[in-house]
Amino acid sequence: AQSVTQPDIHITVSEGASLELRCNYSYGATPYLFWYVQSPGQGLQLLLKYFSGDTLVQGIKGFEAEFKRSQSSFNLRKPSVHWSDAAEYFCAVGPVSGGYNKLIFGAGTRLAVHP
Amino acid sequence: DVKVTQSSRYLVKRTGEKVFLECVQDMDHENMFWYRQDPGLGLRLIYFSYDVKMKEKGDIPEGYSVSREKKERFSLILESASTNQTSMYLCASWGRAPRVKDGYTFGSGTRLTVV
Repeated sequence: AQSVTQPDIHITVSEGASLELRCNYSYGATPYLFWYVQSPGQGLQLLLKYFSGDTLVQGIKGFEAEFKRSQSSFNLRKPSVHWSDAAEYFCAVGPVSGGYNKLIFGAGTRLAVHP
Repeated sequence: DVKVTQSSRYLVKRTGEKVFLECVQDMDHENMFWYRQDPGLGLRLIYFSYDVKMKEKGDIPEGYSVSREKKERFSLILESASTNQTSMYLCASWGRAPRVKDGYTFGSGTRLTVV
């Protein structure tokens, strides 16, 4: 079965520190992979995506992610976190097989940033 | 630049009322989705639609119905609102190939409180 796992429910980092949010997936082929960010009380905004080619992808707000097929992972990174990065982050994979286009979302990782 | 619009940001309804949540997209996307989001439970798919007048149940359809009479509009209906339907509701849309690579576009969400 296709699935997405975000092992960390909450992460706290200090402002200026580096960040890595983990995402592992189970999928039969090379999936489309996405990271979304959700600020409090808002909808989800696309940070970056991967579907083929260079395994290191750049996104908005200074984020990047690396697709590692051997580890079935698509971890999100940022070299220096800003207080405004405090939000919830969702990894997603798709399209789900079975005839309909939809994504599977991880449970999310809530990021807190200490000054 | 708004692409997915949810008609209300905040809504307060009484138990037993029939509630309509509206979602409109201007991207000519075929697929549209309704999720609810509750603390600790992530995103849960209620219903989705892959074409006009077509609908499919998601993971938690009980107590909800949907309507898609036009391509751009996808309505979520709470037939008889109950307090356990108090939640954040998120609408999303997604195109077919080749726009599958773009991922979902989300609305800003509707926070519904049933009293």
